Amino acid sequence: NAGVMQNPRHLVRRRGQEARLRCSPMKGHSHVYWYRQLPEEGLKFMVYLQKENIIDESGMPKERFSAEFPKEGPSILRIQQVVRGDSAAYFCASSPQGSGNTIYFGEGSWLTVV
Amino acid sequence: EDQVTQSPEALRLQEGESSSLNCSYTVSGLRGLFWYRQDPGKGPEFLFTLYSAGEEKEKERLKATLTKKESFLHITAPKPEDSATYLCAVQAGQTGANNLFFGTGTRLTVIP
Repeated sequence: NAGVMQNPRHLVRRRGQEARLRCSPMKGHSHVYWYRQLPEEGLKFMVYLQKENIIDESGMPKERFSAEFPKEGPSILRIQQVVRGDSAAYFCASSPQGSGNTIYFGEGSWLTVV
Repeated sequence: EDQVTQSPEALRLQEGESSSLNCSYTVSGLRGLFWYRQDPGKGPEFLFTLYSAGEEKEKERLKATLTKKESFLHITAPKPEDSATYLCAVQAGQTGANNLFFGTGTRLTVIP
């Protein structure tokens, strides 16, 4: 039973380029979450999605960041016009339907902006 | 405002030297408290979920407990492979708000 799959694991982008991070949830999981971990900081919630719906995006920066979880295919976190401050580890997590269920994390995508 | 504070920030133990990690929280309507382990360059690995005060869970050398204000992760006779950062997170608030609010972690080093 495969876990939460993220790709790419490592991504290097120049300032101003776009970064796209992909996440396939665990089999049977319909809820997807994105978190960001900046160097020497804790994990910060960004967005919570179900298929074709954004449930909570209270942690998303207002500009340049967007997320989707289409009916078919992986969830995508998109960062437009990246800046050096976007360099971080981005973790996707998933859970089955319902509150209180355990949230399982992927191995992360490390974005470096040069 | 929800707060999760973990202490100590870092802990060095000799192999076999038992200790406890603390996670204190201030949240409105706790629905679950989670413990994760994170190795360098990896994602958080789920350890335990605790739902109500007085609850305890065990897994190998680890035991997690919960009160109304804090949780402890007890490590008995640790081994070098237990070295990692241990993260505490809470799920709180209204039903449907499933996201986790994390502390900054305790970095554990177990010396052979």
